[in-house]
Amino acid sequence: DGGITQSPKYLFRKEGQNVTLSCEQNLNHDAMYWYRQDPGQGLRLIYYSQIVNDFQKGDIAEGYSVSREKKESFPLTVTSAQKNPTAFYLCASEMKLAYGYTFGSGTRLTVV
Amino acid sequence: GEDVEQSLFLSVREGDSSVINCTYTDSSSTYLYWYKQEPGAGLQLLTYIFSNMDMKQDQRLTVLLNKKDKHLSLRIADTQTGDSAIYFCAVSGTGGSYIPTFGRGTSLIVHP
Repeated sequence: DGGITQSPKYLFRKEGQNVTLSCEQNLNHDAMYWYRQDPGQGLRLIYYSQIVNDFQKGDIAEGYSVSREKKESFPLTVTSAQKNPTAFYLCASEMKLAYGYTFGSGTRLTVV
Repeated sequence: GEDVEQSLFLSVREGDSSVINCTYTDSSSTYLYWYKQEPGAGLQLLTYIFSNMDMKQDQRLTVLLNKKDKHLSLRIADTQTGDSAIYFCAVSGTGGSYIPTFGRGTSLIVHP
């Protein structure tokens, strides 16, 4: 079955560490997105990519980095520069613009 | 930029109809979506409507769009306990951008 897979489901980060969240899709979707969700908040866009080897900053890109070397994969690195990284991170993909998103099941990141 | 507002909570009795409301600010919004999020999971696209439509029905779901008032609603008929979740409204197409703006979500609680 086609879908979008995020791993790990839970991730713990120590202060000063970089961590990478995985997002893989086998839907052959061109566009991929990373969102951050905090309790009681809507989704805030971190980065997005509409084509391989190209990506754009979203509204809250500071302290995060991404790569898009393959169509199927869009990993997100949360760097030590991100001062408040504890949140639920959601990856999404879209076949074509405005068709609506398919979301992964999310990664919950906690700073310990 | 676009602003999307939703009420935070809605409580209904099982078997009743639920109506979740959403307002947005930019009249040029072209694509409007409803997503459902169950606890600890990603979002699931429920339905969408284009701005040239007034209504869309899909089984128990009815979407109504009032462009004049910039108001979108999602009606769930015969609400079941399994419908308990957070429902997000999202709109896109503003200023030529297809990146959606999400509301903060409405928590639907269905009690027996």
